[in-house]
Amino acid sequence: DVKVTQSSRYLVKRTGEKVFLECVQDMDHENMFWYRQDPGLGLRLIYFSYDVKMKEKGDIPEGYSVSREKKERFSLILESASTNQTSMYLCASSSRIRDTQETQYFGPGTRLLVL
Amino acid sequence: AQRVTQPEKLLSVFKGAPVELKCNYSYSGSPELFWYVQYSRQRLQLLLRHISRESIKGFTADLNKGETSFHLKKPFAQEEDSAMYYCALSQGNTGKLIFGQGTTLQVKP
Repeated sequence: DVKVTQSSRYLVKRTGEKVFLECVQDMDHENMFWYRQDPGLGLRLIYFSYDVKMKEKGDIPEGYSVSREKKERFSLILESASTNQTSMYLCASSSRIRDTQETQYFGPGTRLLVL
Repeated sequence: AQRVTQPEKLLSVFKGAPVELKCNYSYSGSPELFWYVQYSRQRLQLLLRHISRESIKGFTADLNKGETSFHLKKPFAQEEDSAMYYCALSQGNTGKLIFGQGTTLQVKP
C-alpha cells in the first residue's frame, strides 16, 4: 500500500520559532512536493524536489526552505514562523515515469497554527 | 499564464440529482488534466485523468479544448460523493501540477 507520512497532524508554534515539517514516502518516488492548502485558494506549491539534494521553488517559497538529504524524506522548514503561515501543509510524492508522474500521492496533512 | 479556475466554491445538490463541477484552464500547449478528491478526514487522492477517458465512481470528465474546460459530471449524485474536488493541470514533463481553488460538493439526503 502506497504510503506518505507526515510527522505531525497538528502543530502549535509561536511567532518567530523555527518549525520543521517532515515527510516520508516509502514508494521510492523521485519527486516530492510541499503544498499549502487554504480555503478559497486551493493548493499552492511551496517547493518541489525531483531528486536527492535537488530543489526547486514553487509559487510561494517566501519564508520557507526545504531539505532533501535522502530520497524518501523531504523536510519543510519555516525559518521564523509568522501568523500568515498558519495553514494546512500537504506533502506529496510521485514517480518520474512519464505516464504516471502526475499521479501524486498525498500525506494526511499537518495543520499548523502560529500564534 | 497557466491557470486553473474552478468558479464555484460550493455546490449543493440533492441525492439523485445530476452534478457538474466546473473547471476551466489556461495553457498554451497540449493540456493534461486531472480531478483530485478529498473526502472528509481522508487524504487527497487522484479521481480521474482525462487521458485515460475512464469513469470512476460514476464520474466522467471530457476535455473541451475549444472551451478550455474539463468539467466533472455525474448523472445521479450520492451522499458519499460529498467531498472537496480539485481540478489540476499538468505542467508538461515536470511532474508538477497546477491546482484550482477547489469546489466543495455537498449532496443532501
